[in-house]
This record gives sequence, C-alpha cells and structure tokens, in this order.
Amino acid sequence: DGGITQSPKYLFRKEGQNVTLSCEQNLNHDAMYWYRQDPGQGLRLIYYSQIVNDFQKGDIAEGYSVSREKKESFPLTVTSAQKNPTAFYLCASSPILQGMAYEQYFGPGTRLTVT
Amino acid sequence: AQSVSQHNHHVILSEAASLELGCNYSYGGTVNLFWYVQYPGQHLQLLLKYFSGDPLVKGIKGFEAEFIKSKFSFNLRKPSVQWSDTAEYFCAVKDTDKLIFGTGTRLQVFP
Repeated sequence: DGGITQSPKYLFRKEGQNVTLSCEQNLNHDAMYWYRQDPGQGLRLIYYSQIVNDFQKGDIAEGYSVSREKKESFPLTVTSAQKNPTAFYLCASSPILQGMAYEQYFGPGTRLTVT
Repeated sequence: AQSVSQHNHHVILSEAASLELGCNYSYGGTVNLFWYVQYPGQHLQLLLKYFSGDPLVKGIKGFEAEFIKSKFSFNLRKPSVQWSDTAEYFCAVKDTDKLIFGTGTRLQVFP
C-alpha cells in the first residue's frame, strides 16, 4: 500500500525540548517537503529536498532542521529555538519529471503541542 | 516570486447550492495550478490540476476549475454541493521547484 506515513499523529513536548517528527514515503518520489499549517495561514513551507543529502530552506525555516540520508525518509526536528512550535505539521512528496517537481502527495500530519 | 490569494475565507452554503471559490495568482507566464481539499480528519488530497491545454479542468467529485490567463485566476466551481463537500480548500501555484499555497477557504455545507 503506497503512501506517506507520519508519526506520531499527536505529540506533546515541554518547552525547551527538541522534538523530531518522522516522515516516510514508499512512492519512490525524489522530492520531499515539510509544511506547517496554522488556522487562517494556509500551508507554509519549512524545508524541502529534491535529492538525498541535499535540502533547501523554505519560507519559515528558522528554528527547524532536517536531514535526508535516505530517499524514503525526511525527518524534521523542531528545535527549542522555534518560538511558536505548536502547530500541525504536514509532510509531502512528489516525483521529479524531466527535472521538475509537480503535484505533491501529503501525509496525514502530526499535531505538535508544546507547553 | 509567485503568490496566491484566496479571498473567500469561510463560505457557508445549503445543499444543492452552486459553489465558486476564488483563486488568483500574482504573475503570468507558464503556470501550473492546483486545488487541494482537506476533509475533516483526512489527508490533504488533490482535487484537480492545470498544466496546459484546455483551460476548463475537471477534477474528482464533480469539481471543475477554469484557468483565465487574463485575470490570473483559477476559480473552483461545483454546480451543486453536498454536505460531504464540507472541507477546507487550498489553491496552489507552482513556483520553480515548490508549491505556493493560498490561505485556504473553509466550506461548510448544511443539509
């Protein structure tokens, strides 16, 4: 069954702790993305990667870090430097065709609450 | 860089009413446009997309969208909504190697 899995669905952390959100895909897609979704703000891009061992900052990368050691996996770490980390985090992937990434496929999301 | 505007933040309709959700993007040239839907408790999923060709695009569940280049618009339409269309709808435009999303429109359909 092909798709994108994100775990856990809900995550609770204390302020000051780093936390890592998992994203795995078995669609054989080259590109992967992390978004943050807040009410009334749509989806904002945090980081993306088009190839293993390479990634780029999105619009709101501050306070976050990523790695891409395997094609299937793109974990996101929310560091203690992120000032407002409570949000819904979405991971996506997309195939790259003729050097271009097109439609994205989304995982179910992780809702992170930091208190 | 591209940007996307969705002017309808919250739309409330009765079943069988017609729907049109607005989407405008910031500049022209070759554009790839998308509408995504997020049903309550479900994954964000693709409704329809426009890459080239016929500007009237048909998607899943009876939705369609029309690309109007002169108006920089890609409005989503459905002739008769159902209660099950209650969801949040996002318009997106491709900008080099990423998608730029609008802020979303929450649609509530009452029986």
